[in-house]
Amino acid sequence: GQNIDQPTEMTATEGAIVQINCTYQTSGFNGLFWYQQHAGEAPTFLSYNVLDGLEEKGRFSSFLSRSKGYSYLLLKELQMKDSASYLCAVVDSNYQLIWGAGTKLIIKP
Amino acid sequence: ETGVTQTPRHLVMGMTNKKSLKCEQHLGHNAMYWYKQSAKKPLELMFVYNFKEQTENNSVPSRFSPECPNSSHLFLHLHTLQPEDSALYLCASSQTREGNQPQHFGDGTRLSIL
Repeated sequence: GQNIDQPTEMTATEGAIVQINCTYQTSGFNGLFWYQQHAGEAPTFLSYNVLDGLEEKGRFSSFLSRSKGYSYLLLKELQMKDSASYLCAVVDSNYQLIWGAGTKLIIKP
Repeated sequence: ETGVTQTPRHLVMGMTNKKSLKCEQHLGHNAMYWYKQSAKKPLELMFVYNFKEQTENNSVPSRFSPECPNSSHLFLHLHTLQPEDSALYLCASSQTREGNQPQHFGDGTRLSIL
């Protein structure tokens, strides 16, 4: 079967750095997405990785290792508004999106 | 503002009622999706439309009936729902059906079945 694993919940402090991990076992691989979803709102696109390595976008970075079936989202200089759920999703060999259950990130002052 | 608008935002209905959820996208996309989101579970893909044609139905019960009159509008008709159907229903669109295209989501309809 196909599976995406990410921690259910994480807590971090304002101004700090947090890394949210995602591991996957899928039938093939054609890219990995990270989305942010605030409570009661739409998931919004953060990043897409298809090649190994680190992609940086301002305070957010996303890393991919295809050989390890592993990705992480790195959030720097955390702000209270970063409190949200972060969803990992993998594109399989049939170009279907396989979703993780999401990681709820709680930022404390 | 994501460019995808869903109405209503909240809906409470009895098991014998009939209601419809509406989705409209202003992004010029060709693919549209219905998802079910339940607490602490992955998004469940329900239906996919590509250029107004339904391309996927992921074993969704017939009490959910989609309709796509054009590339910008998507409906989900509901009838004789069960309590376990209570969830957040999300609509999304993407430029094409290819899975490596980012999807743009609406804020969802929070559905409660009494």
